[in-house]
Amino acid sequence: NAGVTQTPKFQVLKTGQSMTLQCAQDMNHNSMYWYRQDPGMGLRLIYYSASEGTTDKGEVPNGYNVSRLNKREFSLRLESAAPSQTSVYFCASTPVTMNTEAFFGQGTRLTVV
Amino acid sequence: EDQVTQSPEALRLQEGESSSLNCSYTVSGLRGLFWYRQDPGKGPEFLFTLYSAGEEKEKERLKATLTKKESFLHITAPKPEDSATYLCAVQAPSGGSYIPTFGRGTSLIVHP
Repeated sequence: NAGVTQTPKFQVLKTGQSMTLQCAQDMNHNSMYWYRQDPGMGLRLIYYSASEGTTDKGEVPNGYNVSRLNKREFSLRLESAAPSQTSVYFCASTPVTMNTEAFFGQGTRLTVV
Repeated sequence: EDQVTQSPEALRLQEGESSSLNCSYTVSGLRGLFWYRQDPGKGPEFLFTLYSAGEEKEKERLKATLTKKESFLHITAPKPEDSATYLCAVQAPSGGSYIPTFGRGTSLIVHP
């Protein structure tokens, strides 16, 4: 049972380049999330998808777009990367949005130069 | 202003030296408080969920408690393998959603 799988694990981008971070879960969860984690800032929610076909902004959505491709997959896109988007990105999933533990992927370490 | 505040930011203990980590929150209508453990280079891993004041949960050397304003994660006789960052998250109504808000974490190092 793989749980939540993120690709890639590491990425270096030049300012202005675009890329998509992929996330897939095999637990049949309804809800999926994208967080970024910066030193001293904790986990901050970028976007989430409460269920297939819906997406909503989190605390720090600017500069990002998301797609809930199907129930299993939730991707995060950076259209024009900026150095301020250098961070570790985590995807997570929960059965539903209420009162349930989250399962996290291993993270993607992104550096924008 | 942070809704979830964890203290201390960092804690160094000797093996066997018991201590507590604190998570204080200011949200209204708490639906759940979660504790996670995060090892370097990995994603957070779930430890406990607490729902109401007075509730306690235990797992090996860890015990989590909850009051109306804060939660404590008590670590009894810690071992070096307990070294990790411990994250707290609270779930409460916010703008029509119930997405948990995370604290900044406490980095724990246990020396042998």
